[in-house]
Amino acid sequence: AQSVTQLGSHVSVSEGALVLLRCNYSSSVPPYLFWYVQYPNQGLQLLLKYTSAATLVKGINGFEAEFKKSETSFHLTKPSAHMSDAAEYFCAVRRSTGANSKLTFGKGITLSVRP
Amino acid sequence: DTEVTQTPKHLVMGMTNKKSLKCEQHMGHRAMYWYKQKAKKPPELMFVYSYEKLSINESVPSRFSPECPNSSLLNLHLHALQPEDSALYLCASSQPSGRFEQYFGPGTRLTVT
Repeated sequence: AQSVTQLGSHVSVSEGALVLLRCNYSSSVPPYLFWYVQYPNQGLQLLLKYTSAATLVKGINGFEAEFKKSETSFHLTKPSAHMSDAAEYFCAVRRSTGANSKLTFGKGITLSVRP
Repeated sequence: DTEVTQTPKHLVMGMTNKKSLKCEQHMGHRAMYWYKQKAKKPPELMFVYSYEKLSINESVPSRFSPECPNSSLLNLHLHALQPEDSALYLCASSQPSGRFEQYFGPGTRLTVT
């Protein structure tokens, strides 16, 4: 079964510093991978998605992620953190088969940004 | 327009009440989803509708009853809930294929007293 692992529960960076949020996947078939962000008291917003077209995926708000099959990873990065990036971040994986495929989320990482 | 709307934003109900949550999308998506999210946890899938038919029920208690009246609307009927059902209920929609992303609504914050 497909799954994702997000190590750690909390990452704290200084404003302007590099953001690196880790996600490793487990999948027996080529996965579709997603990063979502959730701000307090809001729904989930899609940051970016990997669907095998390109290994380096650019998303919204300056985020990007690189799909590395050899490492089974899909880490999220942003060169320079902004205070507004403070939120909960979820990595998710979905099988490629039809409507009955499920989106499986990692446990999430809380990103804090220090002034 | 990539918006999914949900009403109400907040709902407080007693254990004997009957209430409904509503979700609407106008993106032409043919798959719609209900998720339950507890604080500091990822969303948990409850139901999936594909082409207006229920395709996945994640063994959800019968006090939750989903309904998909048409391709744009999704309801979740609530009856005889328990305090542990208090959570954020999220609706999402997508095209019915795994490669397509899901778009989420803002959620309904439900409190059961």
